[in-house]
Amino acid sequence: SQTIHQWPATLVQPVGSPLSLECTVEGTSNPNLYWYRQAAGRGLQLLFYSVGIGQISSEVPQNLSASRPQDRQFILSSKKLLLSDSGFYLCAWSLDPGQPQHFGDGTRLSIL
Amino acid sequence: GENVEQHPSTLSVQEGDSAVIKCTYSDSASNYFPWYKQELGKRPQLIIDIRSNVGEKKDQRIAVTLNKTAKHFSLHITETQPEDSAVYFCAATGGTSYGKLTFGQGTILTVHP
Repeated sequence: SQTIHQWPATLVQPVGSPLSLECTVEGTSNPNLYWYRQAAGRGLQLLFYSVGIGQISSEVPQNLSASRPQDRQFILSSKKLLLSDSGFYLCAWSLDPGQPQHFGDGTRLSIL
Repeated sequence: GENVEQHPSTLSVQEGDSAVIKCTYSDSASNYFPWYKQELGKRPQLIIDIRSNVGEKKDQRIAVTLNKTAKHFSLHITETQPEDSAVYFCAATGGTSYGKLTFGQGTILTVHP
């Protein structure tokens, strides 16, 4: 069966510091991969979407970036974090567009 | 792009009652509508979904109905239990936003024993 792993679970970073969050999927090949952000008490906002290695679609202008160096690895990065980057970051995968998306456990990011 | 509105934002029911959460979407080409349950601090978990070629789907105490003409879909939970308490999110995808889920703002459901 397929599993998705995200780390770290929690992260506290100072303003202006860099960021790297990692997500990996096991048990499937060529998954569609997604990064979402959830502000406290709010819905999920799609940040990035990838259908394959090196293919990244950015949904929201921001100071974050995403990369997919391997088939089942998805990385969310920032060179300089802002206070507004605080939130719950969730990685998700699906077999194909239009198929159910399954979420990882998320990373709770606090910016000080 | 797609826009999804979800109501109510909070819902409080007594154990054993039914709960209904409604969502409307804007893109008539959307064709896939999942519902997620998120417990505090946890990941969203898919509980039921429906595609545009059917009007209703049921899984034990949970059902989803879809009205394509009116562009709305609803989650129905019968015989609610305290463990049903959570935040529920609807979502939609298809058409120009194929593969990209647009989520509603969520409904906080509280089931009182």
